Amino acid sequence: KNQVEQSPQSLIILEGKNCTLQCNYTVSPFSNLRWYKQDTGRGPVSLTIMTFSENTKSNGRYTATLDADTKQSSLHITASQLSDSASYICVVTQGSDYKLSFGAGTTVTVRA
Amino acid sequence: DARVTQTPRHKVTEMGQEVTMRCQPILGHNTVFWYRQTMMQGLELLAYFRNRAPLDDSGMPKDRFSAEMPDATLATLKIQPSEPRDSAVYFCASGSTQDGRTTNEKLFFGSGTQLSVL
Repeated sequence: KNQVEQSPQSLIILEGKNCTLQCNYTVSPFSNLRWYKQDTGRGPVSLTIMTFSENTKSNGRYTATLDADTKQSSLHITASQLSDSASYICVVTQGSDYKLSFGAGTTVTVRA
Repeated sequence: DARVTQTPRHKVTEMGQEVTMRCQPILGHNTVFWYRQTMMQGLELLAYFRNRAPLDDSGMPKDRFSAEMPDATLATLKIQPSEPRDSAVYFCASGSTQDGRTTNEKLFFGSGTQLSVL
């Protein structure tokens, strides 16, 4: 049973627009939550990592939020660019130092 | 830029053949992960090494898969014999621990090996 659920599965946005991706998790015990960007044919690249005490973290035009009480996270992309077209994966670390639970990802397509 | 290097990038083979995938972790990293990615299952952990010791390979089919780290600069994942259901992208990732904990460290992924077993 997948403990990390992402929505939407995919979305299409126009260049310059903003979008928000959602991640709900049931992983316990919680250690941290990461967002990765995966370009087609490449490995995932880390965007943000947040621990229990952090509720927001930014990396350029990417801003992640975390509500540990409701076990929800979001990734907001501001002023999207064509290069933002990728799959965005939410990952939750489960207590121990290496157990990562991966979401299925949200595929974002940015069109000119 | 430091990066994780995986070879080959693509591999097409016939069922029953042996497949070996290689990974060069980032210099200085002491943890190595092998993941498999499919459309249906997403990313799944196959094996985890710390300081070259295998700590978790519960995600690997033991009868056909094996993972090793002959030295700190090389990790290998071998499938023998390969089957069509092994077709997937295999990723290697490396990181570093502090006192044996990696929970707050970034993982660096390689570009993967796309395996097709016919």
